[in-house]
Amino acid sequence: GQNIDQPTEMTAMEGAIVQINCTYQTSGFNGLFWYQQHAGEAPTFLSYNVLDGLEEKGRFSSFLSRSKGYSYLLLKELQMKDSASYLCAAMDSNYQLIWGAGTKLIIKP
Amino acid sequence: DAMVIQNPRYQVTQFGKPVTLSCSQTLNHNVMYWYQQKSSQAPKLLFHYYDKDFNNEADTPDNFQSRRPNTSFCFLDIRSPGLGDAAMYLCATSRDREPYNEQFFGPGTRLTVL
Repeated sequence: GQNIDQPTEMTAMEGAIVQINCTYQTSGFNGLFWYQQHAGEAPTFLSYNVLDGLEEKGRFSSFLSRSKGYSYLLLKELQMKDSASYLCAAMDSNYQLIWGAGTKLIIKP
Repeated sequence: DAMVIQNPRYQVTQFGKPVTLSCSQTLNHNVMYWYQQKSSQAPKLLFHYYDKDFNNEADTPDNFQSRRPNTSFCFLDIRSPGLGDAAMYLCATSRDREPYNEQFFGPGTRLTVL
C-alpha cells in the first residue's frame, strides 16, 4: 500500500533550527512536496523535490533521498509565525498526491 | 490576483439536508480537486477533474457528487450529509497533472452538520 509517515508533533525554540522528517512508500514516484498549513487555513506550497539532494529556499530547505524513501524539511531561524502543521505529500505514478497527516510544529519564545 | 475562491467559508446544515459547496479559480488551471480534511488528518482526495474528464476516487462515498460546468467553476454536492461528513472541504487547482505542478488551495469551507 501507499503510505506517508511523519511525526505528529514537534516543539522548538524561536530562533532555533528544526528538521521535520518524512518517509514514504508509493507506487511509482514523481516527486515530494511540502506544504505549510496554519490552523483553520488551507495548505500553501513550500517546496518540491524530485532529484536527490538539498533544495534551499530562504529559511526553508528540503532534502530528498529516493533510494531511502526519505525527505526532510529544515526550518532555520524559527519565528513564531512558523507555528503550523507541515504536510509531506508524495506524487505516485498516477500523478496523485499521497498525503501525510502533518507534523504540528510548536514554536516557543 | 489570480486565486482559488471557495464559498461559503462556513456552512451549517442539518443531518440529511443537501448542501452544495462552490469553488472558482482565476488561474485558468486544467485540473481541479476536492479534498476532505478532518482535524489533524491528511487531506483526503474525493474527486478531481482534468479539464472535463472526471475522476472519482474508489473510496469516495456515493453521497458525494461533483460538477464542473466550465474551466473556472467546480461544485461539490453532498446529497444527504451525515455527522461524519463534518469537515473542512478544500478545493485545489493545478496547471496540469504532470510532476512539479503544485496544487493551489482555496481557503476551504468548514462544514458543520447538526
